[in-house]
Amino acid sequence: AQKVTQAQTEISVVEKEDVTLDCVYETRDTTYYLFWYKQPPSGELVFLIRRNSFDEQNEISGRYSWNFQKSTSSFNFTITASQVVDSAVYFCALQGTGRRALTFGSGTRLQVQP
Amino acid sequence: ETGVTQTPRHLVMGMTNKKSLKCEQHLGHNAMYWYKQSAKKPLELMFVYSLEERVENNSVPSRFSPECPNSSHLFLHLHTLQPEDSALYLCASSQEFGAVMYNSPLHFGNGTRLTVT
Repeated sequence: AQKVTQAQTEISVVEKEDVTLDCVYETRDTTYYLFWYKQPPSGELVFLIRRNSFDEQNEISGRYSWNFQKSTSSFNFTITASQVVDSAVYFCALQGTGRRALTFGSGTRLQVQP
Repeated sequence: ETGVTQTPRHLVMGMTNKKSLKCEQHLGHNAMYWYKQSAKKPLELMFVYSLEERVENNSVPSRFSPECPNSSHLFLHLHTLQPEDSALYLCASSQEFGAVMYNSPLHFGNGTRLTVT
């Protein structure tokens, strides 16, 4: 069975603060993909990153960074110097080997106050 | 137009109505998906079409009937729905390359917010 847990239901920060969104996953697959998606109020899920389970290097893209720790089954997402436009629901997801379906977490709602 | 477009954005229907949700992708992808996002449940995969053939049906009730006439268009036909079917229905597309592990990430549309009264 596959499971993704995003324990933080809602986070509120003030603009320019750094914020980390947690994601913990469970899978018996030896190879898998991990994802982060952003869902702004408009509704669509915007793809942010896909990480292969073989690649534990951390990644940085502008103000976004991801920390993949296979030993703790975590794939955390940090936004540096948050902005109001970062306000959205963020989903972590897992895709096992040979599976089309993504298993999504329940999402973390991020509110960035001006 | 680019990306994945869904119409209508909002739909209110009675339990005896028949309606259809439409999805169109302009990305040249060969696979399309329907996902359901309910208020208190994680996103759930409903159907997957690859090269216009249904390859996954995730135990979805028969009151939901998908149709994929070509690789760019996907429909979800709805009939005799229940109030608990009220949700955001999201369409997505991806490019498949034979082995699932090589598929491109999913690109989602804005969704159709469905309310069943």
